[in-house]
Amino acid sequence: ILNVEQSPQSLHVQEGDSTNFTCSFPSSNFYALHWYRWETAKSPEALFVMTLNGDEKKKGRISATLNTKEGYSYLYIKGSQPEDSATYLCAPSGGTSNTGKLIFGQGTTLQVKP
Amino acid sequence: KAGVTQTPRYLIKTRGQQVTLSCSPISGHRSVSWYQQTPGQGLQFLFEYFSETQRNKGNFPGRFSGRQFSNSRSEMNVSTLELGDSALYLCASSKIRSGANVLTFGAGSRLTVL
Repeated sequence: ILNVEQSPQSLHVQEGDSTNFTCSFPSSNFYALHWYRWETAKSPEALFVMTLNGDEKKKGRISATLNTKEGYSYLYIKGSQPEDSATYLCAPSGGTSNTGKLIFGQGTTLQVKP
Repeated sequence: KAGVTQTPRYLIKTRGQQVTLSCSPISGHRSVSWYQQTPGQGLQFLFEYFSETQRNKGNFPGRFSGRQFSNSRSEMNVSTLELGDSALYLCASSKIRSGANVLTFGAGSRLTVL
């Protein structure tokens, strides 16, 4: 059973601050690592999917990196805005193939104060 | 382009009853995965269906079952409901193509068991 840990559990920052979260996962039998953003009263929304060690992805002010050898991924938000307030979930694939089975961490809940 | 549609959005049942939830995936998506979200456990994988076959199964009792139809629509059923089954049930669809698989989530069905 995969054990996925995210830290911190929650974070409160001021508008304009930059922040980052960590996702740790077992490095063996790795296939892909997903990041999702889940805003209150909405559905989880895919941010990034990464498969290769050293992968870096960017989407606007949000970026992510992946280290499959040591089993961690970082998510960075530059210049946080109130609309970034959400729970950020990471999820490695629950196997070594391309499936819909993901193992989600507990998430990091970000609150950005104006 | 229509998203993932889940029905019903809210329902209340009593212990011992059974419930059926429905999920219509995005057109062209052949994989449907189901997840349960509870405050204490986070998002947990229930099962995945692809081409009318269950491809993956999570660690849930046999009271939880599902199926997929030829048009890729999926249903999940929970029999003999328990109080602990109260949760948000999310389904997600994906294309399953080469490379990593992005899941698109529906809005969820919130089940309350009294």
